[in-house]
Amino acid sequence: KNEVEQSPQNLTAQEGEFITINCSYSVGISALHWLQQHPGGGIVSLFMLSSGKKKHGRLIATINIQEKHSSLHITASHPRDSAVYICAVRYGNKLVFGAGTILRVKS
Amino acid sequence: DADVTQTPRNRITKTGKRIMLECSQTKGHDRMYWYRQDPGLGLRLIYYSFDVKDINKGEISDGYSVSRQAQAKFSLSLESAIPNQTALYFCATSDPGVNTGELFFGEGSRLTVL
Repeated sequence: KNEVEQSPQNLTAQEGEFITINCSYSVGISALHWLQQHPGGGIVSLFMLSSGKKKHGRLIATINIQEKHSSLHITASHPRDSAVYICAVRYGNKLVFGAGTILRVKS
Repeated sequence: DADVTQTPRNRITKTGKRIMLECSQTKGHDRMYWYRQDPGLGLRLIYYSFDVKDINKGEISDGYSVSRQAQAKFSLSLESAIPNQTALYFCATSDPGVNTGELFFGEGSRLTVL
């Protein structure tokens, strides 16, 4: 079993829809990262969180430490949100990545 | 200019050739990493360095070597490239703080080994 599991693997949404991407992990962590990778390949950090909730624009990330689960929400989705979203968990000096969720938002 | 710069961005080479991928950063971070990305798999750690004198193997270091020439520079070498090293390679940096350990990635280097 992978240490970090993301769901769904693929997601197609219509512009304007509310989107949720989930990340579950199996170890005690010090932090969790959400990353975005656009088709050109570059990866950017969206959030790093260790508890609670963070919001940036239309993006919201939550984490439940007890349940070992995090969600990334996108409100009012737009075609430019189409990308791969990657969850990564940090424990000790180790950083483990999920396989990513491929999101396509259609206009 | 980008915070983390990788060169080359694309390279096609033949089996057995030596290849070097270079990474430089302007963040002033001590921690630098090399990852590879394959379709359907998460990023996997090849090597990491926490300062100029520190080099550590990651989970898939076989067939690779690294050099940390300065705080800002971290190079990845494939001494004798093989086709299953065809992948997208990323360099990254981070701050060591638990609360400030945001990751900064380069744009990626796409390597094809024929």
